[in-house]
Amino acid sequence: DAGVTQSPTHLIKTRGQQVTLRCSPKSGHDTVSWYQQALGQGPQFIFQYYEEEERQRGNFPDRFSGHQFPNYSSELNVNALLLGDSALYLCASSESSGWSGLGQFFGPGTRLTVL
Amino acid sequence: RKEVEQDPGPFNVPEGATVAFNCTYSNSASQSFFWYRQDCRKEPKLLMSVYSSGNEDGRFTAQLNRASQYISLLIRDSKLSDSATYLCVVTNVGTASKLTFGTGTRLQVTL
Repeated sequence: DAGVTQSPTHLIKTRGQQVTLRCSPKSGHDTVSWYQQALGQGPQFIFQYYEEEERQRGNFPDRFSGHQFPNYSSELNVNALLLGDSALYLCASSESSGWSGLGQFFGPGTRLTVL
Repeated sequence: RKEVEQDPGPFNVPEGATVAFNCTYSNSASQSFFWYRQDCRKEPKLLMSVYSSGNEDGRFTAQLNRASQYISLLIRDSKLSDSATYLCVVTNVGTASKLTFGTGTRLQVTL
């Protein structure tokens, strides 16, 4: 049983560019959350998708957007990249019936570097 | 003020030592509490939940004090493999699936 998978593992972009990160949830999970983890910091909640809609959102600008597909996989898009967007982007999946911290599983993350 | 605060460390302890980490949270409506472990350049993984009654899992003991809004993690008989960053995590009423993380406390266990 595959866990949460993310692609790509590493990415280098330049300021002003756009990036798309991808996440496939653990089998049986229908909810995907995205987190940003800057160096030396804890992960920060970006948003969560369920039933192909954004269910909750953290304090991130509109440059950060997402999408969930019918197969529950998800994309995170960031436009007009800034140097400060350099971070590890983590995806976590869970079952809607178990919306609690106990039921969330994290993927290995995508490390984004903005030059 | 950050919603979840932790001493970033690092805590450098010899093998076999007992070490304690503390965490405070600012939202009195916080509902659920956890400790996650994160190895260098890896994803966070759930270590244990935290309850007011306290809970123990082998060498690890976690405790919650709701009145003081304080969470602790005690590691006894530290192993080299315990070296990692320990993240304090809370969820709040109405947003139960949104995890709010502290900065993390780095532990380095040495020979």
